[in-house]
Order: sequence, then C-alpha cells, then structure tokens
Amino acid sequence: GENVEQHPSTLSVQEGDSAVIKCTYSDSASNYFPWYKQELGKGPQLIIDIRSNVGEKKDQRIAVTLNKTAKHFSLHITETQPEDSAVYFCAASAGTSYGKLTFGQGTILTVHP
Amino acid sequence: DVKVTQSSRYLVKRTGEKVFLECVQDMDHENMFWYRQDPGLGLRLIYFSYDVKMKEKGDIPEGYSVSREKKERFSLILESASTNQTSMYLCASTTSPYLEFFGPGTRLTVL
Repeated sequence: GENVEQHPSTLSVQEGDSAVIKCTYSDSASNYFPWYKQELGKGPQLIIDIRSNVGEKKDQRIAVTLNKTAKHFSLHITETQPEDSAVYFCAASAGTSYGKLTFGQGTILTVHP
Repeated sequence: DVKVTQSSRYLVKRTGEKVFLECVQDMDHENMFWYRQDPGLGLRLIYFSYDVKMKEKGDIPEGYSVSREKKERFSLILESASTNQTSMYLCASTTSPYLEFFGPGTRLTVL
C-alpha cells in the first residue's frame, strides 16, 4: 500500500518568514495530493490540493509543488502570520478512491510574532 | 456550510466496555469515513461507507465495526474497548473524490 513520509515534525519560524513542509510518497499510482491544516480543537481543514498532471499550484500565500519523478511534494507558506500556527498534514491517494487518503505524520508549525 | 457533527468531544470509558461514536452530516453526502489520529502517526482510515447499509474496511479495522442505517449517520463501534484504542477519532464526509469535511473529533480515553 501507499506510504507517506512528512518532514519536519516540528517547524518554528518568525512572523514574515517562509515555511516549507515536505512529503514523499511510495505508490506511483497516487495522483491526488491534498494538504490539511488542523487548528487546536478542530478537525482538519483542506487548504490546497494538487493533481498529478500539475506541477505547481498557488492560492494567495500558500503553494504546493509536485515532483512525480522523485515522488515528493511540498507545501510553501510565504509571509507567515501567527494564525498560520497549526498542525499541517499532507496526504496522497489514487483519485478514484473517494476519500481514501494515506496521511503523513503531521508537522507542528509555530509562527512567533 | 456543510456540518459534520460528532456526538461527543471527550469520552472516557473502561476496558471491555462497548463504545459507540456517532457522526452526523447535514449535506446529503453519500461517502462517510472514520479516521483515527495519533501523534506521530497522522490519520489512519478505520472504515468507510459509500452508501447506506454499505461498509468497507480501511487500513486498521481490527477491533472496530460500523453501522450506516441512514444516509446522514455513520457510527463507529468499539465492541470491547482496549487501552490501545485511546485516540482521537475523526469522522469525515464528502460527495466528491476529495475529502473535504471533517468533524471536530472525539477524544476517547480507555482506562
């Protein structure tokens, strides 16, 4: 089955800096890669996703890149703000498997004012 | 807004008890899921359902069962709770291939 590795497990940055979280996956059949943000006391919230026919996708201060050859994808947050502090999860799936995701281990991002 | 609600935010049970975790969504979604979240392990899929009366095993179904008698409700059952089932349980629903809506989670402690 699919295996997703996520690094780093914790990340601490100063407000205004950029943050990068990286994930690798093992199954070449995976073609959908979402990212989730989980704030304290809440369920994960989908913040951005990318499909395997796209190399990069941006949404305001967040972007995701995908390297299919190397089987890795990354989340980039620019101009970080304290409200970006949360746990971030990457995930992977074959697009035909509704909702069946394999998640990474999670990254605790702390943005210091 | 789509709402996925879970019956309890916190639950404390004893070893051997039968435990029911309830999940309700209000947007007529066909697909519902139960994930378990543990530190350092991320989220892992326990069971899912693509229709009423239908259920399929996820990656870690052992020790769990589910029930889906109505489209909006998906229940996770721990037949005989054990301490290694202490965890955060997350329900989710979607009407697309993409998992969009999670509930707030139930933190279960088994003593």
